[in-house]
Parts: sequence; structure tokens; C-alpha cells
Amino acid sequence: RKEVEQDPGPFNVPEGATVAFNCTYSNSASQSFFWYRQDCRKEPKLLMSVYSSGNEDGRFTAQLNRASQYISLLIRDSKLSDSATYLCVVNLFSGNTPLVFGKGTRLSVIA
Amino acid sequence: NAGVTQTPKFRILKIGQSMTLQCTQDMNHNYMYWYRQDPGMGLKLIYYSVGAGITDKGEVPNGYNVSRSTTEDFPLRLELAAPSQTSVYFCASSKSSGNTIYFGEGSWLTVV
Repeated sequence: RKEVEQDPGPFNVPEGATVAFNCTYSNSASQSFFWYRQDCRKEPKLLMSVYSSGNEDGRFTAQLNRASQYISLLIRDSKLSDSATYLCVVNLFSGNTPLVFGKGTRLSVIA
Repeated sequence: NAGVTQTPKFRILKIGQSMTLQCTQDMNHNYMYWYRQDPGMGLKLIYYSVGAGITDKGEVPNGYNVSRSTTEDFPLRLELAAPSQTSVYFCASSKSSGNTIYFGEGSWLTVV
């Protein structure tokens, strides 16, 4: 069965903490990976793509581990405004089929 | 920049009524999608389209219909609304299957 799996959380962390989420995917041939952020009662928005060599955008670092079939998102120096649900997105299937969204990991950053 | 535009934003329907959720995108994307998201749950794909004239079922197509007569528009039709269709509906688009998906702001539908 082809799936994208995430720990639903919630992850409750204090401001300034470092937090990491993992997401496992079932198809070793997957090529496209993304992290999206969804705020309460809002649409999902792209946070960052995940590249094979890993990539960083400010306080956010994304990594891909093909051997173990997971991607990760690391958030350093957490801010209150980072509180949201983080969705892992993977192209599990080849051809014209859509990307598959994980159910999300909820993060609450506490003052 | 408009991006993906959905209307209406909020709607209350009575059981058995029908309605159409409108979606248009101005990014010349080939792919368009409709998702629903129930409270506290993940996104579920209803229908998608890889280009004008082509539509395919997603995970939860029952009770819905779509059409794709133009590249820009991808309306979602609800026939005989049921309380189980109370949800937030998101329209989205992307250039191709492996590219970034852009979402509309959502349509909140309540069936009573």
C-alpha cells in the first residue's frame, strides 16, 4: 500500500526550542517532496521543497533520506508564529497522478 | 496576484439541494484539484484534472461531479447535498504532477 505517514502530534515546544518532524513514504521511486504549512482555518501553503542534498531556508532545514524513505523538517529557534500544522507531500505514483498529502503534524510553540 | 480563486467562501445548503463551487486559476496551470477537509482531519482528494476536457476521480468522488471545459475553470458540483458533505473545500492547481500545488482560500459548506 502506498502511503505518506506523519506523527500527528501535537508537538508542544517552548519558544526558542529546536523541533524536528519526520515523514515516511512508501514508494522508493518517489522523486518530488515538499513541506507545506497550514494555519487554522486557512489553506495549505508551500513552506519549502525538499532537495536530494538537503536544503535550508532561514530557520528551516529539510532533509531527504532515500535509503530509509523519509523526509524531515527541522525548525530552529521556534517562534510563536510557527504554530501550525505541517504537511508532508510526496509524489507516490508515477505518470499524471497527483501528489499525496500526509495528514499533517501539529506544532504549538508556547511562550 | 489572483492565483486560485474560489467562490462562494461560505454557503449553507439544505439537505437535497444542489450547488456548484466555482474555481478559477490565472496561472495557466494544466492540473487542477478539488479537496475536502473535515475538522481536524487531513486533505482528501475528490477529483482532479490534468487538462481541459480530462477529469479523474480521487479518493472520495461520490456525491460530486466536475467538468473542465477550459484551462482556467474547474467547477465542483454537489448533487443532492447530504450532511456528510459539510466540510471545507479547497480548489488547487499546479503546472504538472510533480510541481508545487497552489491552493485557493477554501469554501466553507454546511449542509443542514
